[in-house]
Amino acid sequence: NAGVTQTPKFRVLKTGQSMTLLCAQDMNHEYMYWYRQDPGMGLRLIHYSVGEGTTAKGEVPDGYNVSRLKKQNFLLGLESAAPSQTSVYFCASSSQGLNTGELFFGEGSRLTVL
Amino acid sequence: SQQGEEDPQALSIQEGENATMNCSYKTSINNLQWYRQNSGRGLVHLILIRSNEREKHSGRLRVTLDTSKKSSSLLITASRAADTASYFCATVEGGSYIPTFGRGTSLIVHP
Repeated sequence: NAGVTQTPKFRVLKTGQSMTLLCAQDMNHEYMYWYRQDPGMGLRLIHYSVGEGTTAKGEVPDGYNVSRLKKQNFLLGLESAAPSQTSVYFCASSSQGLNTGELFFGEGSRLTVL
Repeated sequence: SQQGEEDPQALSIQEGENATMNCSYKTSINNLQWYRQNSGRGLVHLILIRSNEREKHSGRLRVTLDTSKKSSSLLITASRAADTASYFCATVEGGSYIPTFGRGTSLIVHP
């Protein structure tokens, strides 16, 4: 049972390049989330999904897009990378969003934008 | 915006001592969760306490919740070097299903 898997684990981009981070979960969870973690800032929610085919904006959505075409996958895209998007990105999933449900996290994807 | 704020930001203790971390939040919540993050790793869920609960235990962990003060505390008893990590509280506001994280407490336990 792999849990939540993120790929790639590390990536270096040049300003203006695009890329996609993939998150896959094998727990049949409905809810999936993308957070970014920056020093001294904790985790901030970028986008989330409450089920296949649905997405919604979080606290810091600008510059990112997401898709949830399959229940087990949640993709995070950067259309035109900027140095401010240098961060560690975490994907998480949960079985129940409201009132219950712990989050299961991936190991993170470290992105550097030069 | 961050809902929960942990205090202290950093804590350094000796093995065997107890470690106490606090979390304060701003609005009414459905539940409050504590997570642990080892350096370079993802977060791992430790414990969830609901708004109608006052205290929960899990092994060496004790969590309290005071909704009147909008605060929670995480106590780790008889700490071990392996407890060295960052600890985060996450709150789920009333009517929401999105956990919002604080900035975390960095705990170092010296052997």
